[in-house]
Amino acid sequence: DGGITQSPKYLFRKEGQNVTLSCEQNLNHDAMYWYRQDPGQGLRLIYYSQIVNDFQKGDIAEGYSVSREKKESFPLTVTSAQKNPTAFYLCASSINAHQSYGYTFGSGTRLTVV
Amino acid sequence: EDKVVQSPLSLVVHEGDTVTLNCSYEVTNFRSLLWYKQEKKAPTFLFMLTSSGIEKKSGRLSSILDKKELFSILNITATQTGDSAVYLCAVISVTSGTYKYIFGTGTRLKVLA
Repeated sequence: DGGITQSPKYLFRKEGQNVTLSCEQNLNHDAMYWYRQDPGQGLRLIYYSQIVNDFQKGDIAEGYSVSREKKESFPLTVTSAQKNPTAFYLCASSINAHQSYGYTFGSGTRLTVV
Repeated sequence: EDKVVQSPLSLVVHEGDTVTLNCSYEVTNFRSLLWYKQEKKAPTFLFMLTSSGIEKKSGRLSSILDKKELFSILNITATQTGDSAVYLCAVISVTSGTYKYIFGTGTRLKVLA
């Protein structure tokens, strides 16, 4: 079955450490996205990628980095520069960024800083 | 600044009740409005609304868009405990040919048996 796989589901990080969240899709979608979800707030866009080897900052990119070396994969690194990284992170994909087909979401990764 | 506002933020009802969830928006270059249901993890797609006044239905759920008043409602009739979830509203805007999604905060619905 086609879909998006995020791993791990739960992640604990010590302060000062970088951590990478995985997002893989087999939908042959061109566009991929990373969102952060905090209680009482909507999904906020961190980074997005419209095509391989290209990505753009979203609304809250500070303290995060991404890469898009393969169409199927869009990993997100939460760096030590992110001041408040504890959150639920959702990865999504769409056929492309130029048509409104809607997103397919992964199941999310809950990151906790300890 | 583009924004999407959902109300109420949370709602508790009993099985069999009918609920109406609201989504208002102020977005430039509006393209579509989407509703998602998020139970614990991945939001799942419910409806995409592009035209004003046309109701979309799926079982006990229905939704309609008013592009003049800039809002949408999601109705759930004869609610069941399985309807308990966070319902997300998102508006798609188009800038320089690129589609951008703006999400609301969500409405948390709890249906009691």
